[in-house]
Amino acid sequence: DAGVTQSPTHLIKTRGQQVTLRCSPKSGHDTVSWYQQALGQGPQFIFQYYEEEERQRGNFPDRFSGHQFPNYSSELNVNALLLGDSALYLCASSSGGAYYYSNQPQHFGDGTRLSIL
Amino acid sequence: AQSVTQLDSHVSVSEGTPVLLRCNYSSSYSPSLFWYVQHPNKGLQLLLKYTSAATLVKGINGFEAEFKKSETSFHLTKPSAHMSDAAEYFCVVSDERQAGTALIFGKGTTLSVSS
Repeated sequence: DAGVTQSPTHLIKTRGQQVTLRCSPKSGHDTVSWYQQALGQGPQFIFQYYEEEERQRGNFPDRFSGHQFPNYSSELNVNALLLGDSALYLCASSSGGAYYYSNQPQHFGDGTRLSIL
Repeated sequence: AQSVTQLDSHVSVSEGTPVLLRCNYSSSYSPSLFWYVQHPNKGLQLLLKYTSAATLVKGINGFEAEFKKSETSFHLTKPSAHMSDAAEYFCVVSDERQAGTALIFGKGTTLSVSS
């Protein structure tokens, strides 16, 4: 049973560029969340997708956008990259769907390390 | 608004000795609380979760945590540390301000285990 998979594992971009990160949820999961983890910090919630719509959003600018596909996989897009966007981007999946219980454990992928030069 | 505070940024123990990682939370509701562990260059693994069923929660790898509402604490313990326990540990609360299941993380505690 495959867990959460993310691609690519590492990525190097320059300021002003755009990037797309990808995530496949754990089998049986229908909800995908994205987190940004800066070096030495705890992860910060970016947004969550369910039924191909953004259900919840953290305190991130509109440069951060996402998408969820019918097979529940998801993409995170970041436009106009800044040096401060350098971080580990984590994808997490969970089940429960419309009945979004706050005690649902989320399963995390190993992340995409994004470096901005 | 919900938040968690991890009281120690770094904890060092010897192999075979007890582990205590401290966490205080702030929540207007009855919170859902979690502990996650992160090994270097890896994602996060759930250790245990509290969901109001029992105040003493047992997790994987011998870890457990006790929910104390009067102290707003959710400390993580393990009777005997192993070298493989060396990692970053995060105390987490579920954000209940809006629909969805966003997680709010503490800043983390680095656990070092020496032989």
